[in-house]
Amino acid sequence: ETGVTQTPRHLVMGMTNKKSLKCEQHLGHNAMYWYKQSAKKPLELMFVYNFKEQTENNSVPSRFSPECPNSSHLFLHLHTLQPEDSALYLCASSQDAVGGSFYGYTFGSGTRLTVV
Amino acid sequence: ILNVEQSPQSLHVQEGDSTNFTCSFPSSNFYALHWYRWETAKSPEALFVMTLNGDEKKKGRISATLNTKEGYSYLYIKGSQPEDSATYLCAFSNAGGTSYGKLTFGQGTILTVHP
Repeated sequence: ETGVTQTPRHLVMGMTNKKSLKCEQHLGHNAMYWYKQSAKKPLELMFVYNFKEQTENNSVPSRFSPECPNSSHLFLHLHTLQPEDSALYLCASSQDAVGGSFYGYTFGSGTRLTVV
Repeated sequence: ILNVEQSPQSLHVQEGDSTNFTCSFPSSNFYALHWYRWETAKSPEALFVMTLNGDEKKKGRISATLNTKEGYSYLYIKGSQPEDSATYLCAFSNAGGTSYGKLTFGQGTILTVHP
């Protein structure tokens, strides 16, 4: 375990469902990130939260809705997804956003999402 | 848009072989270059952070070098073992503009070491 926990590990959902992905860290970090990895593509940054404030939304469709209630928890709420949204969703955390780009991130193991 | 390119995309070697892969990144406003090792069904694990031109880092049989002026880093594995099989990711950050405060990842090199 790295200290960043993601649940669930696997999720299958229909296009009309609403589900949420959860990420939790107790490392004392203040920045949290959502990345998406589609097949044969690089990790793609979706959202950045720094001290609970969203500082980055990388043109992500509104069917993905992040929530960061405190520095330890990050959610990704999903609704009316498309099959092309099937991917691995990785959460990461770092000391803070600037520190993360210098010292690096701690990653969770990801949620494998399949949209049917 | 910042591009981080890794080559080769995949590599198959025999146990005991030495191997190396490349990460290319924009050379302007360099801040840091990261290497991660990612085994299937696990989380990416940090290997090295390099910040200075000419940096060389080593961890057991794995080492890395950095050339910020020409924008590349090499990762070397000496005497590959089956347990080295993983995807090796590099990630770049720069000191200004749109990439500040976040990491941009390459596509990764998938290494398979055959016994």
